[in-house]
Amino acid sequence: ELKVEQNPLFLSMQEGKNYTIYCNYSTTSDRLYWYRQDPGKSLESLFVLLSNGAVKQEGRLMASLDTKARLSTLHITAAVHDLSATYFCASLQVNYKLTFGKGTLLTVNP
Amino acid sequence: DADVTQTPRNRITKTGKRIMLECSQTKGHDRMYWYRQDPGLGLRLIYYSFDVKDINKGEISDGYSVSRQAQAKFSLSLESAIPNQTALYFCATSDLGTSGSLVHEQFFGPGTRLTVL
Repeated sequence: ELKVEQNPLFLSMQEGKNYTIYCNYSTTSDRLYWYRQDPGKSLESLFVLLSNGAVKQEGRLMASLDTKARLSTLHITAAVHDLSATYFCASLQVNYKLTFGKGTLLTVNP
Repeated sequence: DADVTQTPRNRITKTGKRIMLECSQTKGHDRMYWYRQDPGLGLRLIYYSFDVKDINKGEISDGYSVSRQAQAKFSLSLESAIPNQTALYFCATSDLGTSGSLVHEQFFGPGTRLTVL
């Protein structure tokens, strides 16, 4: 059974700082997804990583995938308050089902 | 815009009542999913359907049933609601990538907040 672990689960950081959220998954998968969720809202797709070595960037967020290490990272550069949200990674398993991590609650403080 | 909608958005009910949550989509996707979200547990898959004649159990299907009335509609029922089914419920859809890249990206509805007293 595929397990997806995110670290850290809670992250409080100052504006302007850099940080990385880690997503480890337990079985082979070559598709990894990152979502953002604002409080009380739905999940918004951020990145779809489709192969080993894939790197995607959008604004202050950059995601990467290492399928050999079964690891994806979401790097935050020069954080701003608007990035405060919960971030989920999800790995595609057999039968095209997604298994989600528990989420990382990011709070960016002035 | 092509979209995923859920009704109701909020529902409070009592233990033992039958509840139906509805999901509709205009994305033209074949695949639809029901998840529940509980604080600190992420999203867990309840049921999924790859077309009208295909229904599959997810990891937490006990106490739930579903109906795929059409390609665009997927309903989730709680036959006899219990308090530990209090959660945020999401419907999602997906399809093959338009370029054939097998993206399998899932798009989520706005959610239904269900409270069982």
